[in-house]
Amino acid sequence: KAGVTQTPRYLIKTRGQQVTLSCSPISGHRSVSWYQQTPGQGLQFLFEYFSETQRNKGNFPGRFSGRQFSNSRSEMNVSTLELGDSALYLCASSLKAARFYGYTFGSGTRLTVV
Amino acid sequence: QQPVQSPQAVILREGEDAVINCSSSKALYSVHWYRQKHGEAPVFLMILLKGGEQKGHEKISASFNEKKQQSSLYLTASQLSYSGTYFCGTEIRQGGSEKLVFGKGTKLTVNP
Repeated sequence: KAGVTQTPRYLIKTRGQQVTLSCSPISGHRSVSWYQQTPGQGLQFLFEYFSETQRNKGNFPGRFSGRQFSNSRSEMNVSTLELGDSALYLCASSLKAARFYGYTFGSGTRLTVV
Repeated sequence: QQPVQSPQAVILREGEDAVINCSSSKALYSVHWYRQKHGEAPVFLMILLKGGEQKGHEKISASFNEKKQQSSLYLTASQLSYSGTYFCGTEIRQGGSEKLVFGKGTKLTVNP
């Protein structure tokens, strides 16, 4: 079966611009989480969606937002980009609660802000 | 909130054993373990739920001590394919729901 698909794979944006990243979870998975990965900081939790509802969010500024559609696909938006937003953004999907099923990660979107 | 992993890095020769630890200051519902190879997505290894259970995956096993709020990942008779960065994820409760937060990772290098 198809895995978690993230698009685009690479992005280069200028400071001040905004960007939208997309994540298509495994068919049937209703939980989608987003993480920011940077060297030395590991995986930082951004937010989690389940059945179109944001269940939890991490400690990121309001410039970071997301949403989930009825088909479980999710998008993440970052407005007014800063140099420090350069990172690998990973999306992970789970059948239901990750507690019992674990996450399947996508390959990520590498965002570079110049 | 972020769990603390130790050591940060470890270098082994093929066939040697290693232990990676993961500690949290918050009450945990579960602990996840993932491995990420360079340039690839993290891959799920196993979950441990409350109850101090121990699980195994090939020659990789883990334990979860609920009282100490810590988990350990055991790699025995390491193989070259075990190289990568290992992340523990701890499920904590915040704002009325649970979320999975990850440690900074432990880089494991297995040499021939």
